Amino acid sequence: AQSVTQLDSQVPVFEEAPVELRCNYSSSVSVYLFWYVQYPNQGLQLLLKYLSGSTLVKGINGFEAEFNKSQTSFHLRKPSVHISDTAEYFCAVSTGGSNYKLTFGKGTLLTVNP
Amino acid sequence: NAGVMQNPRHLVRRRGQEARLRCSPMKGHSHVYWYRQLPEEGLKFMVYLQKENIIDESGMPKERFSAEFPKEGPSILRIQQVVRGDSAAYFCASSPPFGSSGNTIYFGEGSWLTVV
Repeated sequence: AQSVTQLDSQVPVFEEAPVELRCNYSSSVSVYLFWYVQYPNQGLQLLLKYLSGSTLVKGINGFEAEFNKSQTSFHLRKPSVHISDTAEYFCAVSTGGSNYKLTFGKGTLLTVNP
Repeated sequence: NAGVMQNPRHLVRRRGQEARLRCSPMKGHSHVYWYRQLPEEGLKFMVYLQKENIIDESGMPKERFSAEFPKEGPSILRIQQVVRGDSAAYFCASSPPFGSSGNTIYFGEGSWLTVV
């Protein structure tokens, strides 16, 4: 069985600062990796995904993530955040055998302050 | 192209009542999934359905919960005799058959159930 750990439950930053949201996973098989964003009282929106190929993945809204197999990590980064990036961010993993069954981390609340 | 549509968005039920949550998948999607988000938790998989078939219900509580995806109409998640612990956000997601969407499932905006 796989698991996902988001190391920070809350990350406060100032506007225009860079940010990194950390995600580590454990799995005995190859994985697919995802980052979703959830704005208050809304559903989840896919930010980006890693299925195969280049380990640096670019997503929407200027976010990117890097898959590091040796460290079993998939950290999310943005070089300069905006107030509108304030939201909950979820890292998720699925495996090839049942790739519809996403295992989510508990989420990281990113708060961007002026 | 409309996204995954869920209703109601908010539902309040008294203990012991039934809750029915509906989900219409994206156009062209034949696979539906239900996830539950408890307070301060990540989403947890409940069930995977195709039309008229339950494919994987390994995440469904053994009692009081059921799901269906009929040939016509939306998928329905049904919770009988609700208890306070059922209070959560219930998210529906959909996808075409895997392989054609890059293994991506698309989530609706959720239905927030409050049991009083």
